[in-house]
Amino acid sequence: QVQLQASGPGLVKPSETLSLTCTVSGGSISSYFWSWIRQPPGKGLEWIGYIYYSGSTNYNPSLKSRVTISVDTSKNQFSLKLSSVTAADTAVYYCARGPAVPTIDYWGLGTLVTVSS
Amino acid sequence: QSALTQPRSVSGSPGQSVTISCTGTRSDLGSYDYVSWYQHHPGKAPKLMIYDVSQRPSGVPGRFSGSKSGNTASLTISGLQAEDEADYYCCSYAGSYTLVVFGGGTKLTVL
Repeated sequence: QVQLQASGPGLVKPSETLSLTCTVSGGSISSYFWSWIRQPPGKGLEWIGYIYYSGSTNYNPSLKSRVTISVDTSKNQFSLKLSSVTAADTAVYYCARGPAVPTIDYWGLGTLVTVSS
Repeated sequence: QSALTQPRSVSGSPGQSVTISCTGTRSDLGSYDYVSWYQHHPGKAPKLMIYDVSQRPSGVPGRFSGSKSGNTASLTISGLQAEDEADYYCCSYAGSYTLVVFGGGTKLTVL
């Protein structure tokens, strides 16, 4: 059974960079699309972007200037960096796997990241 | 404001059927047959219920079905059960620039 676990700081200061890592277990990261999705408190889901195992990426146009997603196949991990954060970036961040965009067949539990000084 | 529009809430009694709508535009849902639906119990990982408009992953009960007409997709749950109470989100491919859009979510209450 594939499992995804996001990890990283739960509190980030405004203007700093949010960094999260997703560790994939129970399956190889080689193949599939690997996505980050977030859900601000009381709001719906927002797709952040994805990376294919080969390294090609695609980002939400509204976040593109601040987002970087990378993959480390040797560690079976992929990562998210979101720069210049503000309170609007406070959300539960999910890492997820999909066989094809936009289908997601496995989600992690999500991790809450709060942006506050 | 989410790109796809869903009703905030729907409800039904055990055994009944409910339908959740998801409305987009010609730029996203109306142009592609890549609509997926996710069930989310708070505190748990979301679960894929329907993909490619009407395909059901293995393990998802046949009570769940999906369809699309024009710019609106629908998720129908028949024979409602208590464990179906959850939030449901639709998702659509939206072209090579925007790529992926979600709905705002619908809270299903089983009365």
